[in-house]
Amino acid sequence: GENVEQHPSTLSVQEGDSAVIKCTYSDSASNYFPWYKQELGKRPQLIIDIRSNVGEKKDQRIAVTLNKTAKHFSLHITETQPEDSAVYFCAASITGNQFYFGTGTSLTVIP
Amino acid sequence: DVKVTQSSRYLVKRTGEKVFLECVQDMDHENMFWYRQDPGLGLRLIYFSYDVKMKEKGDIPEGYSVSREKKERFSLILESASTNQTSMYLCASRNPSTDTQYFGPGTRLTVL
Repeated sequence: GENVEQHPSTLSVQEGDSAVIKCTYSDSASNYFPWYKQELGKRPQLIIDIRSNVGEKKDQRIAVTLNKTAKHFSLHITETQPEDSAVYFCAASITGNQFYFGTGTSLTVIP
Repeated sequence: DVKVTQSSRYLVKRTGEKVFLECVQDMDHENMFWYRQDPGLGLRLIYFSYDVKMKEKGDIPEGYSVSREKKERFSLILESASTNQTSMYLCASRNPSTDTQYFGPGTRLTVL
């Protein structure tokens, strides 16, 4: 089955700096790549996603890039704010029936 | 707004007990999922269901079973709870138009 690896496991940045989280996947048939944010004690929530026919997608301070050849995708957060502190999960899916998640990145934004 | 609810936020059970975790969604989604979340391991799929009475094993189905008698309800069953099943359990449903998964608040299960 699909294997998704996520790095780094922890990340600390100064407020205003950028943060980048990277994921790799193993199955070239995967075609949907969502990113979820989970604040402490809360449920994961989708923040951005990308499909395999697109190389980059942006939503205000958040962007995701996908390199199908290398089988990796990345989350970019610019101008980080304290409220960006959370655990971020990447995932990959082929059919929408099964989602394979990375192990998560704990992001801390230092004011 | 999609609403996914789970029957309990916290649950404490004893080894060997049968445990039922229930999940209800109100968006008529066909696909529903059960995950367990452990530190450093991310979210791991236990079972998913793509229709009433239909179920598929995920990556870690051992020790679990599921029931989907109605479209809105997906239950996770621990037939005989063990201490290594102490975990956070998250239910989700999927919007077929966008593939977005909507998660419930989670049930933190402790097995003593």
